Amino acid sequence: EVQVLESGGGLVQPGGSLRLSCIISAVTLNPYGVTWVRQAPGKGLEYVALISSSGESRYYANSVRGRVTISRDNSKNRVYLEMNNLRDEDTARYFCAHLRGPLVGAADYWGQGTVVTVSS
Amino acid sequence: DIQMTQSPSTLSASVGDRISITCRANINIYTSLAWYQQKPGRAPKLLIYEASTLESGVPSRFSGSGSGTEFTLTISSLQPDDFATFYCQQYATYFFDFGPGTKVDI
Repeated sequence: EVQVLESGGGLVQPGGSLRLSCIISAVTLNPYGVTWVRQAPGKGLEYVALISSSGESRYYANSVRGRVTISRDNSKNRVYLEMNNLRDEDTARYFCAHLRGPLVGAADYWGQGTVVTVSS
Repeated sequence: DIQMTQSPSTLSASVGDRISITCRANINIYTSLAWYQQKPGRAPKLLIYEASTLESGVPSRFSGSGSGTEFTLTISSLQPDDFATFYCQQYATYFFDFGPGTKVDI
């Protein structure tokens, strides 16, 4: 059974940085894209970033572009989300999800998320 | 960004009801649309992809239809476990916009 597990969340001051990690087990990660999605408290789902199966293609939501970097290490089945210059509005649960295709596609496996709280 | 809308935003229903949720995109997204179910405190769960393909393990009472700019999720006979929030999502572009969600409650 495919499992997705995020880690790295926590409390950070505005302007601070965090690195989120996602490990996807029981599947060869290489052929599949991965996405990060976040959900602010009481709000809906918001796309954050996408990385292709090879890692060569990366895309970001306008709300985080320039402050966030997505990367992956297929040898470790891991995907990362480096977040800098964090703002109050970045407070959310961040989900990592495995895609059905190498770049685009529905997200078929999700983790339970890791919580990021930006507050002074 | 592609603008995704859903209607209704809230739907009150009873066990056994047939319900439908509509999702609209402001441009043609062909059939690059997924539906997810999310319960409080849980991760989203994929129900439908490619607008009408049922994900493995999802009960057959769920179905999806549509193409282009208008899509529908239908639950043929609502079960107690189905009360949740449902989201549509487009993946026709590299920016996977979600709809605002439809909460289905009693």
